[in-house]
Amino acid sequence: ETGVTQSPTHLIKTRGQQVTLRCSSQSGHNTVSWYQQALGQGPQFIFQYYREEENGRGNFPPRFSGLQFPNYSSELNVNALELDDSALYLCASSLVDRGADGYTFGSGTRLTVV
Amino acid sequence: AQSVSQHNHHVILSEAASLELGCNYSYGGTVNLFWYVQYPGQHLQLLLKYFSGDPLVKGIKGFEAEFIKSKFSFNLRKPSVQWSDTAEYFCAAETGGYNKLIFGAGTRLAVHP
Repeated sequence: ETGVTQSPTHLIKTRGQQVTLRCSSQSGHNTVSWYQQALGQGPQFIFQYYREEENGRGNFPPRFSGLQFPNYSSELNVNALELDDSALYLCASSLVDRGADGYTFGSGTRLTVV
Repeated sequence: AQSVSQHNHHVILSEAASLELGCNYSYGGTVNLFWYVQYPGQHLQLLLKYFSGDPLVKGIKGFEAEFIKSKFSFNLRKPSVQWSDTAEYFCAAETGGYNKLIFGAGTRLAVHP
C-alpha cells in the first residue's frame, strides 16, 4: 500500500477560483514532486520541492505554486483556475539523492473545473 | 526538447497472447528509463527500470524491457498476458536535473478472457 496520501480525492471548482491540493509524503522521504495528468495524456512535471524550496519547475505558469512543510508534506496551489486545469494531479515523494528512482506516487486528486 | 513517445495508444489482446509496447525517447545523453503501470483508480506502480548495465531488465509481474541505445528505444514485453494486466502503461525517462520524469502519453491495454 502506498505511503503517499493525497487529499481531497475529488473536487469541483468554478473557473477563476483558487484551489489547494495536499500531499503527505512517505515516511523517510524528503522530496515531493507534483505532476498534472490531463485526460488521455501522461503525467507532466509541474515542480519539485526539497528543503521547503522549489527545486525545479516544468512548463507551468506562475499561478501554479507550492509549499513544502518541515514534515516534508506539500501543497499545490492553483490560482485563477481555467477549464484546461481539469486533470488528475499526482504527488510523488522520494529521496533527493535518488532522483526519480524510488518515487512513490499517491493516488491523485481529480480536479474538475467548470 | 526531450520527449518520450509511445507508439500504441490502445492495445487489445486475448489472454495468453504476447505483448510488446513500444517506447522511444529523444535525448542524446545519459538517460534512466522506467515503465509504470496504472490500474483503474490506483496509483502509478513501477514495473521496472533501467539505469545501466544489462540492457534486458526484468520487472514485476513477469514483465521485461530491452534498452536499445542505437534505436533510443525501451520496449516493454510480456510473453503471456493475463486479464489482470488490463491497465494503462507509461514509459518515462529521467534525463538529469530536478529529478523529474518525462512521461509518454500512455498505452491503454485491454486483455479479454
